[in-house]
Amino acid sequence: DAKTTQPPSMDCAEGRAANLPCNHSTISGNEYVYWYRQIHSQGPQYIIHGLKNNETNEMASLIITEDRKSSTLILPHATLRDTAVYYCIVSLLVTGRRALTFGSGTRLQVQP
Amino acid sequence: NAGVTQTPKFRVLKTGQSMTLLCAQDMNHEYMYWYRQDPGMGLRLIHYSVGEGTTAKGEVPDGYNVSRLKKQNFLLGLESAAPSQTSVYFCASSYVISYEQYFGPGTRLTVT
Repeated sequence: DAKTTQPPSMDCAEGRAANLPCNHSTISGNEYVYWYRQIHSQGPQYIIHGLKNNETNEMASLIITEDRKSSTLILPHATLRDTAVYYCIVSLLVTGRRALTFGSGTRLQVQP
Repeated sequence: NAGVTQTPKFRVLKTGQSMTLLCAQDMNHEYMYWYRQDPGMGLRLIHYSVGEGTTAKGEVPDGYNVSRLKKQNFLLGLESAAPSQTSVYFCASSYVISYEQYFGPGTRLTVT
């Protein structure tokens, strides 16, 4: 799996958009970008994934650059409950035999 | 649905003692995983299973054994606990082809 690089920590004001960057310059053509988050030592929670196109769901938006070497997770209106560690993971579609590789992630602190 | 549950939530062991951690899922998932998370680090895969009666080694399997006798359960055993096994243990499950792994709440294990 391709390696990812994320900033160790970020702050965001409540109500503002949180933009979390991720570099994955060695990503291969059939690898997906996944985002998970872990709130206060709970089990990680899936947020969103994408291959080439930008994606949006009820939780967040994922913007992938055209060369796919980097991406940005956007939380459009951050709340205090979004304070968590966010993991950017690059992996193939079939996760069974290739379990997700979690790095250190980005610790997002949403400030009131 | 309860999702993924883990038993126990907390445990303190003395060096050399044995114990079994239980993971149960009610989503009829084929794949199940055991991860460990040490302070300030991401998750590392211990063992995984791609179906009832099958298990395979992950990234850090030494000192652990697993069994998948029933599709809904995945057991993690420590035969002779060591202080280096002090960690938070997470179980997860997924469909065969899936974008998402579902995680349990974790078991905090301390070995003294």
